[in-house]
Amino acid sequence: AQKVTQAQTEISVVEKEDVTLDCVYETRDTTYYLFWYKQPPSGELVFLIRRNSFDEQNEISGRYSWNFQKSTSSFNFTITASQVVDSAVYFCALSEAGDDKIIFGKGTRLHILP
Amino acid sequence: DAGVIQSPRHEVTEMGQEVTLRCKPISGHDYLFWYRQTMMRGLELLIYFNNNVPIDDSGMPEDRFSAKMPNASFSTLKIQPSEPRDSAVYFCASTKDRGFGEQYFGPGTRLTVT
Repeated sequence: AQKVTQAQTEISVVEKEDVTLDCVYETRDTTYYLFWYKQPPSGELVFLIRRNSFDEQNEISGRYSWNFQKSTSSFNFTITASQVVDSAVYFCALSEAGDDKIIFGKGTRLHILP
Repeated sequence: DAGVIQSPRHEVTEMGQEVTLRCKPISGHDYLFWYRQTMMRGLELLIYFNNNVPIDDSGMPEDRFSAKMPNASFSTLKIQPSEPRDSAVYFCASTKDRGFGEQYFGPGTRLTVT
């Protein structure tokens, strides 16, 4: 059975600090997809990134970067020079090839303090 | 283009009443998902449809819950009779690319059953 673990329930950092959100997944499939979603205080979930299991290249988008390591079954998310607007709940998610569903982790609530 | 539309945004009802939540997916998206989010259980998939047909309703908690998708642009989630433990935020999401596609979420309906 597929599973996504976000061990950090809640993190608080001071603005401009870097912060990494951890995500560990379990799957028996060799083909799968990993996602990160952001849920700001307004409540709506917003898609951030998708990676497939065959692409282990790290991804950078502005202050956001993602580190995918199959050897440790991890897909970690780093925010560099955090800002107050980054405060949100972040969800890591997994989907196996051939499955219509996405399985979400419990989420990490991130507080960026001014 | 309009995103996923949900109504109402907030619903307060008394225990025992019928509640109907509505969703309009993004045009052209063949998959529609209903989720429930609570602090205790996180984000749970209740049911999803493909081309208006229910595919997996294993997440529906009880017979009090039912969902329909009469056409490609409209779906309902009904709770009858409602109970206080049904209080949660209910999200609708749609996608065109099965499990490997990013899901677009609506703003959610915050349901409070007193």
